[in-house]
Amino acid sequence: AQTVTQSQPEMSVQEAETVTLSCTYDTSESNYYLFWYKQPPSRQMILVIRQEAYKQQNATENRFSVNFQKAAKSFSLKISDSQLGDTAMYFCAFRKVQGGSEKLVFGKGTKLTVNP
Amino acid sequence: DAGVIQSPRHEVTEMGQEVTLRCKPISGHDYLFWYRQTMMRGLELLIYFNNNVPIDDSGMPEDRFSAKMPNASFSTLKIQPSEPRDSAVYFCASREQGGDYGYTFGSGTRLTVV
Repeated sequence: AQTVTQSQPEMSVQEAETVTLSCTYDTSESNYYLFWYKQPPSRQMILVIRQEAYKQQNATENRFSVNFQKAAKSFSLKISDSQLGDTAMYFCAFRKVQGGSEKLVFGKGTKLTVNP
Repeated sequence: DAGVIQSPRHEVTEMGQEVTLRCKPISGHDYLFWYRQTMMRGLELLIYFNNNVPIDDSGMPEDRFSAKMPNASFSTLKIQPSEPRDSAVYFCASREQGGDYGYTFGSGTRLTVV
């Protein structure tokens, strides 16, 4: 079974500091896609960053970066210079393809609070 | 582009009533997905379409749920009859053919069945 595990239900960080959210996944595929989504209180699901497993270089989007460890099946999200607007639920997702069908499988999420 | 548009944003209905949720995907996106989010089960895929054709509906919980995509710019998710356990946030998402496979989500519909 392909699953996504986020082991930190809640985290908090001070404004301007750095925080890392953890995600592990399980798959037997060699190439796949991983994503981090942000869900603020407005409920909108916002794509933060994506990583193709085939690429060795870790993805970066402004203050957001990932630490992708393929052998360990780990995909953590680092947020630098945290801002109050980063307060949200963060979901790790894995693109599962099986039998001609696809879907994003999501973890349970990590609730991040940025404190002033 | 206005993004993925869902309506209504909130829906409160009585048990046994029919509920219809609507979605307009991003123009040019060939794939459309319906997800449900609950505290207990998280985000789960209900059904998805490719070029208006349903590809996988294995996530649809039971026959009370149905989805259609009559054209490339419109999809509906219908629950008939609705039950209190259907209360959840329902998201529609779309993506383009190929690319990096990221989904763009709508703002969701919060459904409450009383």
